[in-house]
Amino acid sequence: KAGVTQTPRYLIKTRGQQVTLSCSPISGHRSVSWYQQTPGQGLQFLFEYFSETQRNKGNFPGRFSGRQFSNSRSEMNVSTLELGDSALYLCASSFTTNEKLFFGSGTQLSVL
Amino acid sequence: DQQVKQNSPSLSVQEGRISILNCDYTNSMFDYFLWYKKYPAEGPTFLISISSIKDKNEDGRFTVFLNKSAKHLSLHIVPSQPGDSAVYFCAAFGVPFPGKSTFGDGTTLTVKP
Repeated sequence: KAGVTQTPRYLIKTRGQQVTLSCSPISGHRSVSWYQQTPGQGLQFLFEYFSETQRNKGNFPGRFSGRQFSNSRSEMNVSTLELGDSALYLCASSFTTNEKLFFGSGTQLSVL
Repeated sequence: DQQVKQNSPSLSVQEGRISILNCDYTNSMFDYFLWYKKYPAEGPTFLISISSIKDKNEDGRFTVFLNKSAKHLSLHIVPSQPGDSAVYFCAAFGVPFPGKSTFGDGTTLTVKP
């Protein structure tokens, strides 16, 4: 069974640009969550999608948005990038009946 | 207000001994707690979980203990191995799982040969 796949693996952008990150969950998983990890920090929850609906949202500005498609694949978009958005962005998927959350390898975003 | 705290940024133990990693939380509404291991530039790897209705869960060398009255959980690794050296995160989840999850800042475990 393939794991959670995130693309691209690395991304370099400049301030003011926008970026879209992609996440393909484990087959059969309908819940997809997104997290931001900055150096020395734990994982900060961005949002969770389930069946194409945003079910939970963390404390991030509106520049951070996401969506989920009917095949459960999810995308995360960050507009008007700031230097502080440089981070490892992690996606995770789960069954809702099995309390395990599986992570992808992440997308390392650098904003110059 | 950080709802999940790992007060020890680092821990060093000798190979073969027990490693005990601790985590405190403030929100009594959390229903599930998970421990993850993370290597640099990789996603976290699931280790073990515990439901709020249990006080212990064991999986091989890993045991998680939950003390609901103290809002405290711990991860025991016995015996510790050099390959266990990594950053360990505890995380709390609501219902329906995973909900609006909260992670601690992590504890770096170093197991010395």
